[in-house]
Amino acid sequence: QKEVEQNSGPLSVPEGAIASLNCTYSDRGSQSFFWYRQYSGKSPELIMFIYSNGDKEDGRFTAQLNKASQYVSLLIRDSQPSDSATYLCAVPFRDDKIIFGKGTRLHILP
Amino acid sequence: DTGVSQNPRHKITKRGQNVTFRCDPISEHNRLYWYRQTLGQGPEFLTYFQNEAQLEKSRLLSDRFSAERPKGSFSTLEIQRTEQGDSAMYLCASSLGTGGNTIYFGEGSWLTVV
Repeated sequence: QKEVEQNSGPLSVPEGAIASLNCTYSDRGSQSFFWYRQYSGKSPELIMFIYSNGDKEDGRFTAQLNKASQYVSLLIRDSQPSDSATYLCAVPFRDDKIIFGKGTRLHILP
Repeated sequence: DTGVSQNPRHKITKRGQNVTFRCDPISEHNRLYWYRQTLGQGPEFLTYFQNEAQLEKSRLLSDRFSAERPKGSFSTLEIQRTEQGDSAMYLCASSLGTGGNTIYFGEGSWLTVV
């Protein structure tokens, strides 16, 4: 099993709808989880992190964590064309070095 | 507070040449990471440092790759005898404290091997 897995997409979502991005991880000991956004040709930028089971909301973004299922997700409400990007899930492996998934390409349809 | 700085931003080199990239982390960040990213892939872990100590080097990494962080501040990544497969974006990131904390990326260094 790969350490961090994401569906590569592309995921196409109409403007104004909710985009749902998913990530699974292999290390049961991981305690923190990160979502980065990466525009084409640019470096990743942090959009959210989550440490505790449940939901964490920040503006239009909600991160959801289920440690028992080793699953973390990112919801983007009221999707905008500017949200079109690749979204990377990142997990500290053995709570130390940070490993990234391959990313999910999100395309918001105007 | 300046961000992570990487130089050069772009490098075109002939196969077989050596290249070196430099990374200046955010001031006081004691942890520094190097990643490689190719088109359509996520950042691939290469190596990381805690202060000047190199904690791990990816076992997927050829011996042609070496990284240093001599005084626990800036870091260099050297690729010897470059190959076309080395063409990628090389990303540096830094964080404060130990694992589990947010890492912040530089703008990346693009390498093209011709």
